[in-house]
Amino acid sequence: AQSVTQLDSQVPVFEEAPVELRCNYSSSVSVYLFWYVQYPNQGLQLLLKYLSGSTLVKGINGFEAEFNKSQTSFHLRKPSVHISDTAEYFCAVSGLYNFNKFYFGSGTKLNVKP
Amino acid sequence: DTGVSQDPRHKITKRGQNVTFRCDPISEHNRLYWYRQTLGQGPEFLTYFQNEAQLEKSRLLSDRFSAERPKGSFSTLEIQRTEQGDSAMYLCASSLGTDNYEQYFGPGTRLTVT
Repeated sequence: AQSVTQLDSQVPVFEEAPVELRCNYSSSVSVYLFWYVQYPNQGLQLLLKYLSGSTLVKGINGFEAEFNKSQTSFHLRKPSVHISDTAEYFCAVSGLYNFNKFYFGSGTKLNVKP
Repeated sequence: DTGVSQDPRHKITKRGQNVTFRCDPISEHNRLYWYRQTLGQGPEFLTYFQNEAQLEKSRLLSDRFSAERPKGSFSTLEIQRTEQGDSAMYLCASSLGTDNYEQYFGPGTRLTVT
């Protein structure tokens, strides 16, 4: 089975500052990795995904993430955040041969202040 | 392009009552998933359908829970004899198939058991 740890439950940051949201996973098999964003009262929207290939993945809204197999991490970054990035962010993992099931972390609430 | 829709968006029920939720996936998607999200946690996998076949069920899905996808299109999730611990957001997601690992999420149904 797989599991995901998001170390920070809340991250406050000022507008236009850079941000990194941390995600570590545990798995005995190769994995696919995902970041989703959830705005208040809305469903989850995919930001980006790592399936294979380049370890640096670019997503929507200027976000990117880097897959680090040795550190079992998939941290999400954005060089300059906007007020509109205020939301909750979830990291998710699925096993290479059981991609029907996503395991989600507990989420990180990003609060962008003016 | 209509996304995943869920009905109702909110449900308040008394303990012991039965409730049923509906999910309409994206029309060409043959895979459908149900997740449960409690306050402060990420979504937890409940069950998965490929077309009309229910292929996997989590241990979280007790005997009081049943899910169906009778014609391989919409799905229903029924909870019998609701308990206060069933209060949560119930999320539905769909995906295209084996070559597309992205799951598209609906807005969720928030259940409150009083």
